[in-house]
Amino acid sequence: TQLLEQSPQFLSIQEGENLTVYCNSSSVFSSLQWYRQEPGEGPVLLVTVVTGGEVKKLKRLTFQFGDARKDSSLHITAAQPGDTGLYLCAGAVVGRGSTLGRLYFGRGTQLTVWP
Amino acid sequence: DTAVSQTPKYLVTQMGNDKSIKCEQNLGHDTMYWYKQDSKKFLKIMFSYNNKELIINETVPNRFSPKSPDKAHLNLHINSLELGDSAVYFCASSQVPTNTIYFGEGSWLTVV
Repeated sequence: TQLLEQSPQFLSIQEGENLTVYCNSSSVFSSLQWYRQEPGEGPVLLVTVVTGGEVKKLKRLTFQFGDARKDSSLHITAAQPGDTGLYLCAGAVVGRGSTLGRLYFGRGTQLTVWP
Repeated sequence: DTAVSQTPKYLVTQMGNDKSIKCEQNLGHDTMYWYKQDSKKFLKIMFSYNNKELIINETVPNRFSPKSPDKAHLNLHINSLELGDSAVYFCASSQVPTNTIYFGEGSWLTVV
């Protein structure tokens, strides 16, 4: 059973374009995190959102947590080749061992930005 | 300074062999993990230890045995390797309850 559904699975765009990646679930999360993984490396945390409706910005990246804490989105403005990578969302589920650090990962969105 | 380090980074071995992957974290975290990432990039938790105590043990063949000699180390031993074990194995750590997980660079295991 896949707790977190990410879409799209693959995204190939030109430099300068905008894009949005979605992370959806029927479960409620106590927190949701976004990671980026580059080839040959482990995932690196970008942001954690914990409050329903929360919006966080990291330069050209905007992260939003849904009001009901069941979904999240990542929007990138004016994408650059350096944004290329695998973007993973991960959620800590309420009442399912979240205090023990258990995270459920989505399958990821592979983003390629062409110059 | 590498926060979570794991060795070896690359491992090619024959079916039936036994191999180990070592992991160390210098972040002072209480919780350590082993994740497996398959060829489709799906990242799935295998084990988690909190202060040397096993707290998460997903449906993993018993050929996989984690060992935590202290809270800074979590090693993964795999017996009787099979072709399907080929994957990238990530060690990670966190300081509960922040749940922010710090990953190592991964160990690429290829079973031939």
